Amino acid sequence: QKEVEQDPGPLSVPEGAIVSLNCTYSNSAFQYFMWYRQYSRKGPELLMYTYSSGNKEDGRFTAQVDKSSKYISLFIRDSQPSDSATYLCAMSATDNQFYFGTGTSLTVIP
Amino acid sequence: EAGVAQSPRYKIIEKRQSVAFWCNPISGHATLYWYQQILGQGPKLLIQFQNNGVVDDSQLPKDRFSAERLKGVDSTLKIQPAKLEDSAVYLCASSFYGTHNEQFFGPGTRLTVL
Repeated sequence: QKEVEQDPGPLSVPEGAIVSLNCTYSNSAFQYFMWYRQYSRKGPELLMYTYSSGNKEDGRFTAQVDKSSKYISLFIRDSQPSDSATYLCAMSATDNQFYFGTGTSLTVIP
Repeated sequence: EAGVAQSPRYKIIEKRQSVAFWCNPISGHATLYWYQQILGQGPKLLIQFQNNGVVDDSQLPKDRFSAERLKGVDSTLKIQPAKLEDSAVYLCASSFYGTHNEQFFGPGTRLTVL
């Protein structure tokens, strides 16, 4: 079993839709949870960073962590064509190593 | 603020050849990472440096991969000899200090092994 599972998609939505991206994990020691956005032929860039459980909001983006279910989510409200990218979840425990999901490819259609 | 620089951006080699990648992290960042990202997968950590010391190289195939970070700034990653399965994007990232600060990624080097 992989440390982090993420549906690879692809996911295609109309502009303005609410997008939900999810990851599950198996290691209960994970405490740091991140979402990265990766445009084609670019390096990943950090979108959201959450420590332990709870919600965090930043503009149109909301990250949720449910440690009891070992499940994290990223919601994108009012999606825009510029949001079209691959979204990677990542998490780590106190051993300082990041574990990435495989990424979900998102296309927002104008 | 300049970002993480990597070169070359693209490299095509034949199997059994050697190749080297270069990374220049953001100025002042003590921690540097090399990741391998195979098509359709997430990045996998190969090696992590703290200044010029290795923190984690548990997933580095040491029989063919080597990396160094002289003087705690620039870093090079080498593959010798390359195998077909080494075809991937090699990403370099840096953070101010330690893993739990934000990691900033470079654009990557896309390696194709024929």
